[in-house]
Amino acid sequence: SQKIEQNSEALNIQEGKTATLTCNYTNYSPAYLQWYRQDPGRGPVFLLLIRENEKEKRKERLKVTFDTTLKQSLFHITASQPADSATYLCAPGEYGNKLVFGAGTILRVKS
Amino acid sequence: SAVISQKPSRDICQRGTSLTIQCQVDSQVTMMFWYRQQPGQSLTLIATANQGSEATYESGFVIDKFPISRPNLTFSTLTVSNMSPEDSSIYLCSVEDRQTVSGGYEQYFGPGTRLTVT
Repeated sequence: SQKIEQNSEALNIQEGKTATLTCNYTNYSPAYLQWYRQDPGRGPVFLLLIRENEKEKRKERLKVTFDTTLKQSLFHITASQPADSATYLCAPGEYGNKLVFGAGTILRVKS
Repeated sequence: SAVISQKPSRDICQRGTSLTIQCQVDSQVTMMFWYRQQPGQSLTLIATANQGSEATYESGFVIDKFPISRPNLTFSTLTVSNMSPEDSSIYLCSVEDRQTVSGGYEQYFGPGTRLTVT
């Protein structure tokens, strides 16, 4: 069955450093992968989408990579700020099929 | 983008009762999705609701337990029936942004309904 793995332990980093979150998937060949941010008590908010033919995508301080050989996506936040503290969800997808979400990784940025 | 509101935002219900959650979108959308998110776990899709047709349920979810209505293109309801403590969860509705031509549509989520069953 399809499996999506994100770090279950929270990631604690110092303000100004780069946060790197990992999303691994198995039994799956997604055509694209999405990343969402979720704050406590709120629904997820879309951040970035990267397609299988794209190695890297950037948006402001965010960078996502997608390695279909390793079956892995990395999500980077550069110059992290306490306001970046949240849970980050990855969601690999196949065209025409529903999105499947990972359980998310909690990021805590300390000042 | 779509703005989604849900009612109620939270509720505490007794075992055996039912709760209907409302989802309102500020634009017309074809498909609406209902998810459940239990503490520390991923979003689990309950069903997809198209206007004018029966909802499509995912494995493990049945219409008798989670009846869904979709009376128009901006509104849907999810009912959690005959509740038990295991139904305690956050319930979220979502829509796709179908402005993207090439697929891989991003989704917009409501703020969620936090349900506690005692």
